[in-house]
Amino acid sequence: EAQVTQNPRYLITVTGKKLTVTCSQNMNHEYMSWYRQDPGLGLRQIYYSMNVEVTDKGDVPEGYKVSRKEKRNFPLILESPSPNQTSLYFCASRGATEAFFGQGTRLTVV
Amino acid sequence: GNSVTQMEGPVTLSEEAFLTINCTYTATGYPSLFWYVQYPGEGLQLLLKATKADDKGSNKGFEATYRKETTSFHLEKGSVQVSDSAVYFCALSDHANDYKLSFGAGTTVTVRA
Repeated sequence: EAQVTQNPRYLITVTGKKLTVTCSQNMNHEYMSWYRQDPGLGLRQIYYSMNVEVTDKGDVPEGYKVSRKEKRNFPLILESPSPNQTSLYFCASRGATEAFFGQGTRLTVV
Repeated sequence: GNSVTQMEGPVTLSEEAFLTINCTYTATGYPSLFWYVQYPGEGLQLLLKATKADDKGSNKGFEATYRKETTSFHLEKGSVQVSDSAVYFCALSDHANDYKLSFGAGTTVTVRA
């Protein structure tokens, strides 16, 4: 079954404490990306990766990092989270015909 | 740049009512157009898509037609069910960057029995 798996699903953290949200896909897709979803703004792309070791900024990259050491994994890293990064985050993996999304990670930074 | 504008919600309907969600877009060239659906507590799923002008995408009773002249891709369903309650997102990808999706703000639809 085609799957994009994110962990954790829910996370509450404090300002400044580094965190990583993991994302893994089992479809051998080259293209993966991270989005954040905020009310009234839809989904906005944070970072994307065209292949292993190839990453680039999306529309809202400030405060985030990513890495792509293996094709299946694309973790999102917040080195020093701030309250304005409280949001719902989605990882996506795109094939030739459609994108597949993870179930989301609801992050709260206090 | 690319942008997608969809009607604001929330939309509340009774079962068997007709649903339409308007979506218009701005893009260079001829983008591919999508509707994604997000059920409560889940990620986004592709509902339907259209890749060229006058194409009609359809799935699960939903339809949308790619209208180049009005730059629109309105979603319709003739008779909604309670199980259609979800957030619906219109999105596009252009051929300059075929993999990047640009999303509208989302429309929350609630169907009451």
